[in-house]
Order: sequence, then C-alpha cells, then structure tokens
Amino acid sequence: DAGVTQSPTHLIKTRGQHVTLRCSPISGHKSVSWYQQVLGQGPQFIFQYYEKEERGRGNFPDRFSARQFPNYSSELNVNALLLGDSALYLCASSLTGTGGAGANVLTFGAGSRLTVL
Amino acid sequence: QQQVKQSPQSLIVQKGGISIINCAYENTAFDYFPWYQQFPGKGPALLIAIRPDVSEKKEGRFTISFNKSAKQFSLHIMDSQPGDSATYFCAASPLSGNTPLVFGKGTRLSVIA
Repeated sequence: DAGVTQSPTHLIKTRGQHVTLRCSPISGHKSVSWYQQVLGQGPQFIFQYYEKEERGRGNFPDRFSARQFPNYSSELNVNALLLGDSALYLCASSLTGTGGAGANVLTFGAGSRLTVL
Repeated sequence: QQQVKQSPQSLIVQKGGISIINCAYENTAFDYFPWYQQFPGKGPALLIAIRPDVSEKKEGRFTISFNKSAKQFSLHIMDSQPGDSATYFCAASPLSGNTPLVFGKGTRLSVIA
C-alpha cells in the first residue's frame, strides 16, 4: 500500500515568489493535515481538511492557503515567500477529521523541503 | 504558547541502556498522547500512543508512562539500539472534537555502541 506521498521533495524559491506543494493521502483516508517543521523544532499545525472542507487552521498568515480535491488529495499554497518560510512541510492523512479514535492518528509523508533565498 | 514541553533536547545513551524522554502538558482537555519517531529525511512515524485511562502502555521495547495528576508522560526505550537513533516527538490532543495534534520540540537520541 502506498503511504502518504508528497511532491516536490525539495525546492528552492526566492523571496516574494509563490509555491504550491501537493499531497496524496493514504487510500481510504478522507482527512489531510498540513504541518510546518522548522529545523530543530516540532511540527506546527497549519491546516486540516476533511471532505474538501477546512476543519482547522493554525496560527499562520493569510499568505498560506490550502484546498482538498474530490479525490482527497490536497495542495498547500504559500504566497509572497519570506526567508522564514524555509522549512519542511509535512502532509499527514487520517481516516476521519471529526474526532474519535481515527481522527488524530496521523500518518505523515516524507515532506517537501522548501528553501527560500 | 507552547502547550507540550519536551525534555531533554538531546540524549546520548549507550547501547543496551534505557532512554527516557519526558513531556508535560497544560491543557486538561488532552486525552490522546502519541509519540512519533523521525529519521533524517523522513516524516514522523507513529511509534506508540496512550490514552489517560491507563497509566502505562508497552509495545516491545517501548513503554509510555502516564501521570494524569502531574500532567506528564514519558517514553522509555529499553535495551536501546543504534537503530533507535532518531528524533522523538511527543504530542497531545483531545480525541473528541477537531483539535489538531500539538507537538513537543523533539529529542534527538543518539545510541552509541
């Protein structure tokens, strides 16, 4: 079984540019969460989507946006990139997004490492 | 505001020894406490998790101890092996509702022969 797949694995952007990161969840998982992991820190929650609807948003500026498609894959978009956006962006999928035993059992992808110069 | 405090930041243990990583939380609504293991270049992977209706959970060499009154939980790795060298993250969330997992800052474990 394929796990959570993310693309691209690495990318380099310059300040002010825009980036789109993509995620395919485990088959059968309907919820996708995005986390930002800065070097040496734990993952920080950005967004959660379930059944194509935003179910949660972390403390990130409006430059960050996301969406979930009918096939449950997801995109994370970041506009007007700043140096501080350099991080590993992790996508995680879970069975449900509405609480209960399946909601927070997250399976993470390997991440997309973004470097902003 | 850090809701889950993890210590130590780094840990060096001899092969065969016991590795102990501690976490403390503030939010009494938390009732799901997983530990994730992350190797370089990989995403975090769920290692073991506990709910507060038990004080201890063991899976192989990995044990979570939970102290509800102190709002603390810890990961014990028995007979630590070089292959256990990784970064470990504790996390917490309520199981009900839709609150996301909150992670600690991580502990980098090195097991030396």
